Amino acid sequence: EAGVAQSPRYKIIEKRQSVAFWCNPISGHATLYWYQQILGQGPKLLIQFQNNGVVDDSQLPKDRFSAERLKGVDSTLKIQPAKLEDSAVYLCASSLVGGDSYEQYFGPGTRLTVT
Amino acid sequence: AQSVTQLGSHVSVSEGALVLLRCNYSSSVPPYLFWYVQYPNQGLQLLLKYTSAATLVKGINGFEAEFKKSETSFHLTKPSAHMSDAAEYFCAVRTGRRALTFGSGTRLQVQP
Repeated sequence: EAGVAQSPRYKIIEKRQSVAFWCNPISGHATLYWYQQILGQGPKLLIQFQNNGVVDDSQLPKDRFSAERLKGVDSTLKIQPAKLEDSAVYLCASSLVGGDSYEQYFGPGTRLTVT
Repeated sequence: AQSVTQLGSHVSVSEGALVLLRCNYSSSVPPYLFWYVQYPNQGLQLLLKYTSAATLVKGINGFEAEFKKSETSFHLTKPSAHMSDAAEYFCAVRTGRRALTFGSGTRLQVQP
């Protein structure tokens, strides 16, 4: 079974530029999550989708961050314009709907450096 | 509301020694609890999970954790550390269909 795929793995941009990250979840997983992990901290949820609907985006900085999940499969996270404090690893995860634990499977992440 | 506190941002043990990583949670409803491991430049890998079936949970690579409701704890242990265990470990909690809430992580160093 293929895991969660993310691209690119690394990205370096200057502040005020825009950037986009892509995630392909495990086949059949209806729920998709984007987390931001700043160096030295645990991951923090940015947005949670179920199919192509948003379940929770309360911690997404909506003035600069946007995300979509068209057709309930792949997802794209965009930052425009980027700030220095956006330097972090962006993790995508997916899970099935149902089951006792809603276990989440994580991709390798995209490391963003904003200079 | 749900939260997790990991005591000790860095833990150092000798190879072959006991590993103990501490995690305390806060939740208004019965939680699901998880431990994840993260190796450098990699994503998160699930070590073990508590889903109310048994209080002592065994995971991969010889790790286990015990859910103690009275202490609101879910500490991670391994009887004998190996060099390959050096990594960052994250405790996480979730309730219902919410996303995971992670602790700040504990970096484990294993000395030869």
